[in-house]
Amino acid sequence: AQRVTQPEKLLSVFKGAPVELKCNYSYSGSPELFWYVQYSRQRLQLLLRHISRESIKGFTADLNKGETSFHLKKPFAQEEDSAMYYCALSPQEYGNKLVFGAGTILRVKS
Amino acid sequence: EPEVTQTPSHQVTQMGQEVILRCVPISNHLYFYWYRQILGQKVEFLVSFYNNEISEKSEIFDDQFSVERPDGSNFTLKIRSTKLEDSAMYFCASRYEIGQPQHFGDGTRLSIL
Repeated sequence: AQRVTQPEKLLSVFKGAPVELKCNYSYSGSPELFWYVQYSRQRLQLLLRHISRESIKGFTADLNKGETSFHLKKPFAQEEDSAMYYCALSPQEYGNKLVFGAGTILRVKS
Repeated sequence: EPEVTQTPSHQVTQMGQEVILRCVPISNHLYFYWYRQILGQKVEFLVSFYNNEISEKSEIFDDQFSVERPDGSNFTLKIRSTKLEDSAMYFCASRYEIGQPQHFGDGTRLSIL
């Protein structure tokens, strides 16, 4: 069975502080991992995917297969980063659905 | 930039009534999905659709649910006899091909009274 765990419901940091949103997954095969972001009253938007290994809006995420983690990081948080962040896994099978974690609200305070 | 569009944004329905949620995926996309999110809970997969048939469905997607692509543009989710526990936000998503990311619509908030 596939499972994604985001242990923190809410992460509150000050502007300029580093951010790390945790994500752990459970899947026996080779998954594809994503981070989606949902700003207030907007749709789910793709932020990052592990295969592209790029940095978007200063965020990075590295897949650690040994620890089955895909934590999202940013060295210096900005107020506009405040949003809901979802980690998601896509198993390499069937219709390639997305399995979501519960989400973490990131609140960046000034 | 092309977007997935969903209508209506909010649907209020009496328990036991049928409801159809509509989605227009991005025009050249081939894979279509429905997800739902009950208030306070995680986004859950319902069904995936490709080549005019269901490719995978979750245990939530029972006989009360059906999907259809009635024409070249719409992708609909029908709930035959709604229950109180069907109240949720329903998201449609599409992707061009396997390996490409899914693009989501704004969602339809379904409220069952």
